[in-house]
Amino acid sequence: DVKVTQSSRYLVKRTGEKVFLECVQDMDHENMFWYRQDPGLGLRLIYFSYDVKMKEKGDIPEGYSVSREKKERFSLILESASTNQTSMYLCASSLNSYGYTFGSGTRLTVV
Amino acid sequence: AQKVTQAQTEISVVEKEDVTLDCVYETRDTTYYLFWYKQPPSGELVFLIRRNSFDEQNEISGRYSWNFQKSTSSFNFTITASQVVDSAVYFCALSLAGLREGGSEKLVFGKGTKLTVNP
Repeated sequence: DVKVTQSSRYLVKRTGEKVFLECVQDMDHENMFWYRQDPGLGLRLIYFSYDVKMKEKGDIPEGYSVSREKKERFSLILESASTNQTSMYLCASSLNSYGYTFGSGTRLTVV
Repeated sequence: AQKVTQAQTEISVVEKEDVTLDCVYETRDTTYYLFWYKQPPSGELVFLIRRNSFDEQNEISGRYSWNFQKSTSSFNFTITASQVVDSAVYFCALSLAGLREGGSEKLVFGKGTKLTVNP
């Protein structure tokens, strides 16, 4: 089975800190995604990547950046964390449009 | 642009009742995939079903069934004889067929329906 691992389940950071959320998949998938989940808003796409060093903005990229130096790893970066970035972050990978595998999520609190 | 609408924000039922979760989607593409995911309180997204746009057959899996109707752009999910363990947030989602070999379009989600099954 494909496994998508997010490095932290819970994270607490201070306003203004630079935050890295890491995601690793073990099935050689080309496509990786970062979503943010908030109550009443569902899952919204932040960034996605079709290949190493490639990235594309999703629906809510403001305040975030990403890095994909290796195929298996897709990092989400909060350059200067703010309280409105307190949320659940979900990473996913896929080989094609047919199937997506999600990580367990990182619940980030910015204080 | 693609859009998925789950009009029911929250539903509360008593155990053993049947419940239907509605999903309406919008896309101009003819080839697409529809999904349902379950998110229990633990937070993980659990895949339930995938349907491609050319397959309108309804599907049944145990107490779960899905009704896909292209004419109304709907992909509704019914739980028969609900149980407390069915309590979760359920998401409907849509993706388009990949445009490049190995490529993948993003998965667009509805806002989710929170189902509470009371004993």
